Amino acid sequence: DTGVSQDPRHKITKRGQNVTFRCDPISEHNRLYWYRQTLGQGPEFLTYFQNEAQLEKSRLLSDRFSAERPKGSFSTLEIQRTEQGDSAMYLCASSWGQGQNTEAFFGQGTRLTVV
Amino acid sequence: GDSVTQMEGPVTLSEEAFLTINCTYTATGYPSLFWYVQYPGEGLQLLLKATKADDKGSNKGFEATYRKETTSFHLEKGSVQVSDSAVYFCALSSMDTGRRALTFGSGTRLQVQP
Repeated sequence: DTGVSQDPRHKITKRGQNVTFRCDPISEHNRLYWYRQTLGQGPEFLTYFQNEAQLEKSRLLSDRFSAERPKGSFSTLEIQRTEQGDSAMYLCASSWGQGQNTEAFFGQGTRLTVV
Repeated sequence: GDSVTQMEGPVTLSEEAFLTINCTYTATGYPSLFWYVQYPGEGLQLLLKATKADDKGSNKGFEATYRKETTSFHLEKGSVQVSDSAVYFCALSSMDTGRRALTFGSGTRLQVQP
């Protein structure tokens, strides 16, 4: 297993366009998270899946954002009608277990630039 | 809500110097505490963690002790190397509020000069 992989690594899009990012977690991990990180800040939580169920969404996740995890495997994050404020690094992480102590493994992220 | 506050960087040290990066937190209940590190061009990696009060997490010469009385989890290393240059993030996880994800601080950039 090569860890958490994200695709694409970089995306430049024009304002108003839709974009979709993919995350492939570590195969046996039941939990999957999406975070957003802007320059000079720590990652901010966006949404969380346990298996295929989306159990939590941050208030940061406006109605232009949607995430899926069909069959509890890979996940996609779609942003509709992108805005310049959406420019950020989008991070995916996965973990195994039920408690709060489990280690999250992060992908290298997808850097989105909206022009 | 939960929050994590870290000292601002960058922190610039000479090789073999002593490192302290301060981290304090606000959380409901009994969170687990983590330090993650991000090396240039790489993803976030767990450096160490502590799950209850007075626990000490350690890895690669780094240590941090969970201090509930001061709500702190300061990162220390006795002798830093150039290869330790990275951004360090303090984070917490607490299921008491129903949150299953990590809450991060803003990160502290460490630059170690030869």
